[in-house]
Amino acid sequence: QVQLVQSGAEVKKPGASVKVSCKASGYTFTSYYMHWVRQAPGQGLEWMGIINPSGGSTSYAQKFQGRVTMTRDTSTSTVYMELSSLRSEDTAVYYCARGSGWYGRRGMDVWGQGTTVTVSS
Amino acid sequence: QSALTQPPSASGSPGQSVTISCTGTSSDVGGYNYVSWYQQHPGKAPKLMIYEVSKRPSGVPDRFSGSKSGNTASLTVSGLQAEDEADYYCSSYAGSNNVFGTGTKVTVL
Repeated sequence: QVQLVQSGAEVKKPGASVKVSCKASGYTFTSYYMHWVRQAPGQGLEWMGIINPSGGSTSYAQKFQGRVTMTRDTSTSTVYMELSSLRSEDTAVYYCARGSGWYGRRGMDVWGQGTTVTVSS
Repeated sequence: QSALTQPPSASGSPGQSVTISCTGTSSDVGGYNYVSWYQQHPGKAPKLMIYEVSKRPSGVPDRFSGSKSGNTASLTVSGLQAEDEADYYCSSYAGSNNVFGTGTKVTVL
């Protein structure tokens, strides 16, 4: 079955970086875009960016430009999201979500289980 | 890119209908027919309920329907059931970007 499995919870200190992985299975990895979405405690969903696993091209939300990097490894069907210069406001659950259609604009139809990232000194 | 505007809450009794609005701009909701809606239960990942304004993925009950007029999209849940109590988020393509709504908590009275 189609599924996205994310890496485990992380605890980081302010100023550090975190790299979250998302392993896809059950479908052709390079045929679908991958979004990254985060949700701070008690808050709404926030779109961070998107990667095309086929060629590796990316588009990031302006808020995260310069701090986020999304990459992929086609040999393991895994996408990665690295966020640097962490601050307490980055404490959130981070989700990867498969995007169908060009630029994933037809909706996010499969979601990972979420990875909790806690930033604390 | 500013978040799309949704009412914080909506409610209805079992069997009734509830409609949630999602207001954006001509750069997102009004400019593309790529509005989607997500249902999220506490502690769970979101679930796609509607895509491309009004299309339902396989397995989503036909009690859920979507529409759009100008810069405002809407999600209607008809025949409310207890399991429909959740947070709902709209989302729109915005030209190489994506933006979510502020979220609406639906309560089944």
